[in-house]
Amino acid sequence: DGGITQSPKYLFRKEGQNVTLSCEQNLNHDAMYWYRQDPGQGLRLIYYSQIVNDFQKGDIAEGYSVSREKKESFPLTVTSAQKNPTAFYLCASSFPSGGNEKLFFGSGTQLSVL
Amino acid sequence: QKEVEQNSGPLSVPEGAIASLNCTYSDRGSQSFFWYRQYSGKSPELIMSIYSNGDKEDGRFTAQLNKASQYVSLLIRDSQPSDSATYLCAVNMEYGNKLVFGAGTILRVKS
Repeated sequence: DGGITQSPKYLFRKEGQNVTLSCEQNLNHDAMYWYRQDPGQGLRLIYYSQIVNDFQKGDIAEGYSVSREKKESFPLTVTSAQKNPTAFYLCASSFPSGGNEKLFFGSGTQLSVL
Repeated sequence: QKEVEQNSGPLSVPEGAIASLNCTYSDRGSQSFFWYRQYSGKSPELIMSIYSNGDKEDGRFTAQLNKASQYVSLLIRDSQPSDSATYLCAVNMEYGNKLVFGAGTILRVKS
């Protein structure tokens, strides 16, 4: 089955620790995205990538880093510089279509601070 | 002014009624509009997209777009308890060519 796989489903971070969230897709989509969702709020864009080996900052990139070495994979690292990392993290992908992109989401990772 | 605004709700409707969800947006040049449904603890699921003024129907769902008023809505006919979820409006802003999400409206359908 084609889709987007995020792992782990739940993740706990200790203070000062970097953690990496995995996102893999087999939809052959060029574009991939990372969003953060806080309770009662909409999705906010962290980073996005339109093509392999290229990515752009979104609205809230500080404290996060990404890589796009393969078309299928777009891992997100939450660094120790992100002081308030507790949130629901969603990875998405799309096949670019000139502004009419329809996003397909993974199942999400809930990150909490110990 | 927020780029995409939705009433947070909760909107409560009885089973079988029509649920009306509304969304306004700030960028007059926006061309693409989407409605996503999100169950608690789950990821959003695309249920409707609309690009032209007017109505677009898909089963029990109708999306309505009025670009002059910068307003997009979602109607759910014959509401079912399984429709209870948060509905997210998303607008592809011409400025920056980015997809911006509203905070979502919580819908509760009571049987």
